[in-house]
Amino acid sequence: GAGVSQSPRYKVAKRGQDVALRCDPISGHVSLFWYQQALGQGPEFLTYFQNEAQLDKSGLPSDRFFAERPEGSVSTLKIQRTQQEDSAVYLCASSQGTGSYNEQFFGPGTRLTVL
Amino acid sequence: AQSVTQPDIHITVSEGASLELRCNYSYGATPYLFWYVQSPGQGLQLLLKYFSGDTLVQGIKGFEAEFKRSQSSFNLRKPSVHWSDAAEYFCAVGARDYKLSFGAGTTVTVRA
Repeated sequence: GAGVSQSPRYKVAKRGQDVALRCDPISGHVSLFWYQQALGQGPEFLTYFQNEAQLDKSGLPSDRFFAERPEGSVSTLKIQRTQQEDSAVYLCASSQGTGSYNEQFFGPGTRLTVL
Repeated sequence: AQSVTQPDIHITVSEGASLELRCNYSYGATPYLFWYVQSPGQGLQLLLKYFSGDTLVQGIKGFEAEFKRSQSSFNLRKPSVHWSDAAEYFCAVGARDYKLSFGAGTTVTVRA
């Protein structure tokens, strides 16, 4: 079976543009996570979905960041009016269950560069 | 809130030599602990995990890790490194909810 996929793999945006990053989790996985990974750093939690419900968005850096998972499968992370500090790799992960003891399966990430 | 420290930013090791990567965590209760590996252009892959029980856990690719509560550590080891082990390694701690906190990572370079 396929793993977690993300598209696009690379995105270059001019400052002020809106971008949308897509995540296709493993089929049937209840939990979906978005992380931001800055250069030379570990992944930082952004937001968490359990099925279609966004249970935690405490890691979103600003109100320019918005995530959705309307049917409990595919998720989109949207960044409005991109800034240079948004440049990072955005990782999506999914897991079968809802506790942190469940293995999270990661996608390859989308590398966003804001010029 | 939980947190992880990986003291070594970069380690260089000769092929065939042993490898140990350090991880220290901060969490009020017994944590869930994980080691992930990230190769260039790839997503993170789980190497091993600790929840409870035997403090020495075995993982994939010949890796093992030991949980030491008294030292708040979860160090990763491999007896003999292969060139394909060159990658970035992340330690992570999970609380009793759903959230993982990752360390900053250790980059491993393998020299011939």
